[in-house]
Amino acid sequence: ETGVTQTPRHLVMGMTNKKSLKCEQHLGHNAMYWYKQSAKKPLELMFVYSLEERVENNSVPSRFSPECPNSSHLFLHLHTLQPEDSALYLCASSQEWGQQETQYFGPGTRLLVL
Amino acid sequence: GQNIDQPTEMTATEGAIVQINCTYQTSGFNGLFWYQQHAGEAPTFLSYNVLDGLEEKGRFSSFLSRSKGYSYLLLKELQMKDSASYLCAVIDSNYQLIWGAGTKLIIKP
Repeated sequence: ETGVTQTPRHLVMGMTNKKSLKCEQHLGHNAMYWYKQSAKKPLELMFVYSLEERVENNSVPSRFSPECPNSSHLFLHLHTLQPEDSALYLCASSQEWGQQETQYFGPGTRLLVL
Repeated sequence: GQNIDQPTEMTATEGAIVQINCTYQTSGFNGLFWYQQHAGEAPTFLSYNVLDGLEEKGRFSSFLSRSKGYSYLLLKELQMKDSASYLCAVIDSNYQLIWGAGTKLIIKP
């Protein structure tokens, strides 16, 4: 398998549930990203990891918790979410972080919080 | 603040030409990307401009004017499969990627 993959593709959860989103990149990249995409709004950068170290956390609520166990895998742990967290969550990777690098995206997880 | 402006939605006819504009106000400039995103799918890279001028890639071309803070994506010989959202993004002086909200392009037969 090539590129960036994400699972699950769709997720419905209640506000008290705990779930995790998974991202895997098969490109040999060193940087990975989590984005939130809401309708008619710009992509919101949530977290950036470079060489498995978190380098950015853009004021994201603590109910979102990222994990990067190695340079190929990225998780987003979800806990006690709110209905306004319903969105498309996109994972991306790039060769390096902090340069003029093209980012390659996964297909996203469509999340609905009830 | 930093801002990327692009039209919310555009409609064009199959076989025609369409130009999607993007204007930006950012703290510095280190390049501009265009991505295509079909509904329910991943954004995919289309083009990257860092110098002024036109970059042509098949049916798609991208233009940049740094002095005007302006770019456009030109799509020729439109096909139904070109119906998608087109995202403009600018790299600022801190190498942060600033995204526009995207332009939804509807192609009619």
